[in-house]
Amino acid sequence: GAVVSQHPSWVICKSGTSVKIECRSLDFQATTMFWYRQFPKQSLMLMATSNEGSKATYEQGVEKDKFLINHASLTLSTLTVTSAHPEDSSFYICSASAGPEQFFGPGTRLTVL
Amino acid sequence: GQQVMQIPQYQHVQEGEDFTTYCNSSTTLSNIQWYKQRPGGHPVFLIQLVKSGEVKKQKRLTFQFGEAKKNSSLHITATQTTDVGTYFCAQGGFKTIFGAGTRLFVKA
Repeated sequence: GAVVSQHPSWVICKSGTSVKIECRSLDFQATTMFWYRQFPKQSLMLMATSNEGSKATYEQGVEKDKFLINHASLTLSTLTVTSAHPEDSSFYICSASAGPEQFFGPGTRLTVL
Repeated sequence: GQQVMQIPQYQHVQEGEDFTTYCNSSTTLSNIQWYKQRPGGHPVFLIQLVKSGEVKKQKRLTFQFGEAKKNSSLHITATQTTDVGTYFCAQGGFKTIFGAGTRLFVKA
């Protein structure tokens, strides 16, 4: 199946700093990628839809100025958590579609101290 | 927006017992997808159901889509320890919206 990579796999940062997470589709082009957040023992919550060449579409309740999304190319989307705070600590997962199937990246575990 | 409700939240079974998780929607779904997430891992696509009343099997896993396309189930026959994880149903479409998931614990 298609492969989606994420970098970094984990990051620990101080409160107030910004963290960038990269999502890449390695063997296919993705005009659309999705960013999810998952808190421990909870489901995946869709944060935003990343569109290549245009602005991301954010779900209700997700601050677009805090979670900056850039879909620079057909194989790369980035999520920047700006001025991170401890409550932003979570597992962030991206995905991309290839037909009906969604392929997920391995996730990035963010811990904000 | 549309939501898919999933039950039970978690289930403990003895190895060899069967397991079923259920997914329900108040509105008609165009399709339903099922994913498995192992502890510490990311969701992995299992299957998509599209047709009313559809039944699909993958070895010990049986997936059903209701006649009204408002509910779905995943049944595992004779569970094994490798079945441990969280099973999510998801409303497919342009955006994939996940149910709450059912955590399966299997005791050897």
